Amino acid sequence: EDQVTQSPEALRLQEGESSSLNCSYTVSGLRGLFWYRQDPGKGPEFLFTLYSAGEEKEKERLKATLTKKESFLHITAPKPEDSATYLCAVPISGGYNKLIFGAGTRLAVHP
Amino acid sequence: GAGVSQSPSNKVTEKGKDVELRCDPISGHTALYWYRQRLGQGLEFLIYFQGNSAPDKSGLPSDRFSAERTGESVSTLTIQRTQQEDSAVYLCASSVSILSNQPQHFGDGTRLSIL
Repeated sequence: EDQVTQSPEALRLQEGESSSLNCSYTVSGLRGLFWYRQDPGKGPEFLFTLYSAGEEKEKERLKATLTKKESFLHITAPKPEDSATYLCAVPISGGYNKLIFGAGTRLAVHP
Repeated sequence: GAGVSQSPSNKVTEKGKDVELRCDPISGHTALYWYRQRLGQGLEFLIYFQGNSAPDKSGLPSDRFSAERTGESVSTLTIQRTQQEDSAVYLCASSVSILSNQPQHFGDGTRLSIL
């Protein structure tokens, strides 16, 4: 059964304290992994797509990496404005672009 | 506008009433998706449309749920005889095509509350 699991559920950081969020997936024939950011009361905002093991993408203080079983979202020297819920998603096996999402990691960065 | 637009942003209705939710995709996007997000949970796929192809309805939770899309424009999601368990945020997304390498871009959702 296709599955996406994110950990931790919640993470509290001090401003400038770097950390990583994990996304583990079980799907036959990975055809991409997507990271999104979601602010309260808003829809998910697209961040990255990763396609193959070893691939990395960066945007400001965020870097996403991918292995054959999981993806990490590394946050370097976070700021309070990085506080949000981070979601990862993969297309289900054999299902075009039908995405299965993890439950997300709620990140709070305090000054 | 440049992004996906959804209306209404909030809807409160009584149990048993029908509701209709609207989604305007990004211009030029041929694929359109509906998801449901219950409080504290991940997004749950409901249905997608790709151009004039038959929609994939495999995620609709019951026959009270239906959706329509005219061509590559507006879509409506209808819930008949609403139940309290239908309370959730309903999110719409669109992408350039249905291919799995195309990111989906989301609207801000309709927050549905069933009394």
